[in-house]
Amino acid sequence: DGGITQSPKYLFRKEGQNVTLSCEQNLNHDAMYWYRQDPGQGLRLIYYSQIVNDFQKGDIAEGYSVSREKKESFPLTVTSAQKNPTAFYLCASRDRGRVDEQFFGPGTRLTVL
Amino acid sequence: GENVEQHPSTLSVQEGDSAVIKCTYSDSASNYFPWYKQELGKRPQLIIDIRSNVGEKKDQRIAVTLNKTAKHFSLHITETQPEDSAVYFCATGGTSYGKLTFGQGTILTVHP
Repeated sequence: DGGITQSPKYLFRKEGQNVTLSCEQNLNHDAMYWYRQDPGQGLRLIYYSQIVNDFQKGDIAEGYSVSREKKESFPLTVTSAQKNPTAFYLCASRDRGRVDEQFFGPGTRLTVL
Repeated sequence: GENVEQHPSTLSVQEGDSAVIKCTYSDSASNYFPWYKQELGKRPQLIIDIRSNVGEKKDQRIAVTLNKTAKHFSLHITETQPEDSAVYFCATGGTSYGKLTFGQGTILTVHP
């Protein structure tokens, strides 16, 4: 069921706090992506990374930060600058050398209290 | 940037009927068109995809058609079953860095 894991499944944050969402994959995929999903909307791209130590902003990067120190891991930090962080966050990965299909993790539901 | 419009936003059918969901896109350079199914609280899962050198692709009860000239593509589900009830997303890609641009989603409900 995937090879991509996300933790935690549920996360509660107080206003003003930074939180980090974990994404790990054992598929040996080069590319990884972070999406945000809000009710009634499609997935919107936050950040993506094609290789280790390299990443680019997506469509809604403001208030988020990422790192890519290892091929297997692509953590997302939701900072206090993100004005409306309550959402469902999905991580995905892709085998850059083969196909365009992205494989998704199970998601993290973040709620700001 | 790319813009993907998906219709309808909700679709209700009786078991055994067909369901059709349509998407239009703006970037003529897009050449990869996947469809994802997402059950409540779960991850999106790819159900079928098509590339721009193909006009139609079938996999059992589902099919996707693509009209590159008109920049639209559709998902067709025949003989619907209650377990087909989910949110379906179209997306476009195949351009820079493997990025996908998603439609807004269609909530499909199949009534027994």
